[in-house]
Amino acid sequence: EPEVTQTPSHQVTQMGQEVILRCVPISNHLYFYWYRQILGQKVEFLVSFYNNEISEKSEIFDDQFSVERPDGSNFTLKIRSTKLEDSAMYFCASILRERMNTEAFFGQGTRLTVV
Amino acid sequence: SQQGEEDPQALSIQEGENATMNCSYKTSINNLQWYRQNSGRGLVHLILIRSNEREKHSGRLRVTLDTSKKSSSLLITASRAADTASYFCATVRSLNNNAGNMLTFGGGTRLMVKP
Repeated sequence: EPEVTQTPSHQVTQMGQEVILRCVPISNHLYFYWYRQILGQKVEFLVSFYNNEISEKSEIFDDQFSVERPDGSNFTLKIRSTKLEDSAMYFCASILRERMNTEAFFGQGTRLTVV
Repeated sequence: SQQGEEDPQALSIQEGENATMNCSYKTSINNLQWYRQNSGRGLVHLILIRSNEREKHSGRLRVTLDTSKKSSSLLITASRAADTASYFCATVRSLNNNAGNMLTFGGGTRLMVKP
């Protein structure tokens, strides 16, 4: 069964460092998302991406964050200068066809720990 | 912004009992989805109910949707210890310019099924 894959599964970084979280969505999907989940809290929307551009972003997704789909397969989330409060699980998701009321497929997540 | 909120926040039952989780939201939706998350893992889609549907079944899962009350419920019948997980509802609305959908998650219900 096709799946969304995320790498790395766990990343530890120093405060102020840049991190890139990688996702390979399901190959024929069109819509891509990043969500994050601080430990024990709800899953929060960060950004949606369609047709090679951001379609919507939340207040969390400030200038420190950026997304890219550089080669048609990978979908990356970059945090330029990490803060302690960026520590969370980051989930990538993709959807095939929005108008058909289809489910979102989520990756297993990257646990980011900022120290 | 719309928000799915589940109750109860935590539920502990014996194996074989039924588990009912509720979700309330605030704005209009295209559909509502339920996801499961095992501890520290990704989100797994369980079931989707469209805004024009009132009830849906899938195996031991039964979902209801009441758009007049802006609420949904997830019933797991004959629960098993393996059902122990967190369960999240996600409300889905369309983004502008055919840019896709956005899923907004509630805080989740932590279900523990004791053997």
